[in-house]
Amino acid sequence: QVQLVQSGAEVKKPGASVKISCKTSGYTFTNYYMHWMRQAPGQGLEWMGIIYSGGGTSYPQNFQGRVTVTRDTSTSTVYMELSSLRSEDTAIYYCVREPHSGAYYFDYWGQGTLVTVSS
Amino acid sequence: QSALNQPPSVSGSPGQSVTISCTGTSSDVGGYDRVSWYQQPPGTAPKVMIYDVSNRPSGVPDRFSGSKSGNTASLTISGLQAEDEADYYCCSFTSTRIYVFGTGTKVTVL
Repeated sequence: QVQLVQSGAEVKKPGASVKISCKTSGYTFTNYYMHWMRQAPGQGLEWMGIIYSGGGTSYPQNFQGRVTVTRDTSTSTVYMELSSLRSEDTAIYYCVREPHSGAYYFDYWGQGTLVTVSS
Repeated sequence: QSALNQPPSVSGSPGQSVTISCTGTSSDVGGYDRVSWYQQPPGTAPKVMIYDVSNRPSGVPDRFSGSKSGNTASLTISGLQAEDEADYYCCSFTSTRIYVFGTGTKVTVL
């Protein structure tokens, strides 16, 4: 069965970076697009970017220059690194699968990783 | 890109129907049939309930239905049940090739 297992909670100081992993299993990793979302406490969902099945990436303008999504095909793992952290980046971060290329929706979600940014 | 506009809350008694609206612009909801809806009970990850405006993934009860008119999409829950109590979010693909979510709606079963 499809599984997306994310790394554990992180506490970071303002200005630092965080890198979250998402290990996938149960499907052919390189055939699917993977996304990252986040949800601040008590707030809604926010899309952070995508890594395509070919390895290319795309990010929304408000995260450009601060977010980097990478992958390791040998371990079927996706990574999201967010730099220059500020208190507003405190949130639960999710890795998410798009069910097929050009599906434009999301079927499997990781369990979420809480990132707390505090001095 | 601004978040799509949803009502903060809707409520209904068991067996009733409730409808959640999701209002965007011609650059997102109105321009593409790429609207999806997600259910998020407290403390859990979201789950897709509707994709491409009105399609239900396998396993989603047919009490859940979606539609769209102009720049507004809607999710209707018919025959409301206690387990439907959750937050619901719409999501749309946009003309700038990003995804934008709605502000979220809390569904309460009275």
